[in-house]
Amino acid sequence: DAKTTQPPSMDCAEGRAANLPCNHSTISGNEYVYWYRQIHSQGPQYIIHGLKNNETNEMASLIITEDRKSSTLILPHATLRDTAVYYCIVRVVVANFGNEKLTFGTGTRLTIIP
Amino acid sequence: DTGVSQDPRHKITKRGQNVTFRCDPISEHNRLYWYRQTLGQGPEFLTYFQNEAQLEKSRLLSDRFSAERPKGSFSTLEIQRTEQGDSAMYLCASSLGTASEAFFGQGTRLTVV
Repeated sequence: DAKTTQPPSMDCAEGRAANLPCNHSTISGNEYVYWYRQIHSQGPQYIIHGLKNNETNEMASLIITEDRKSSTLILPHATLRDTAVYYCIVRVVVANFGNEKLTFGTGTRLTIIP
Repeated sequence: DTGVSQDPRHKITKRGQNVTFRCDPISEHNRLYWYRQTLGQGPEFLTYFQNEAQLEKSRLLSDRFSAERPKGSFSTLEIQRTEQGDSAMYLCASSLGTASEAFFGQGTRLTVV
């Protein structure tokens, strides 16, 4: 799986959009970008994933650059409950077997400020 | 609660003792994963089961570690002769399909004194 680079920490004011960058310049054509977050004392939680196109769900939006070498996770209206460590993971998805491990880096510690 | 359940949530043990953790995955999830997380680091993959078969093990899983999933439902992770370096959060996850959208439990925090 391709290596990712994320800033170690970020702050965001409550109610504003939180934009979390991730660099994955060595990404391969068949690798997806996944985002997870881990709130203190809990297990990681899946947020969103994408291959090429921008994606949106009820939690967040994912913007992937055209060259796919970087992406941004957007939390549109951050709340205090969004304070967590956010992990960007790039991996190949094999439908039925293989590559079953998620490789987490150290992530970005996002702090939402009241 | 229909999420992944881990027991116990916290365990303090003396060095050299054996410990066993249990994970109950989401019902009908055929894949189950164990991860370890130390302070300030992201989770690290330990092992993975598809039903009762253990299909992948990390080299982090030394001979002192053993995991089982006897009937393809719950799983146990045993650590024999614990060492202080085993102190960590042990996370279990389950999925129906690939690892990518796995659901994680809240973990078991192990402290070896």
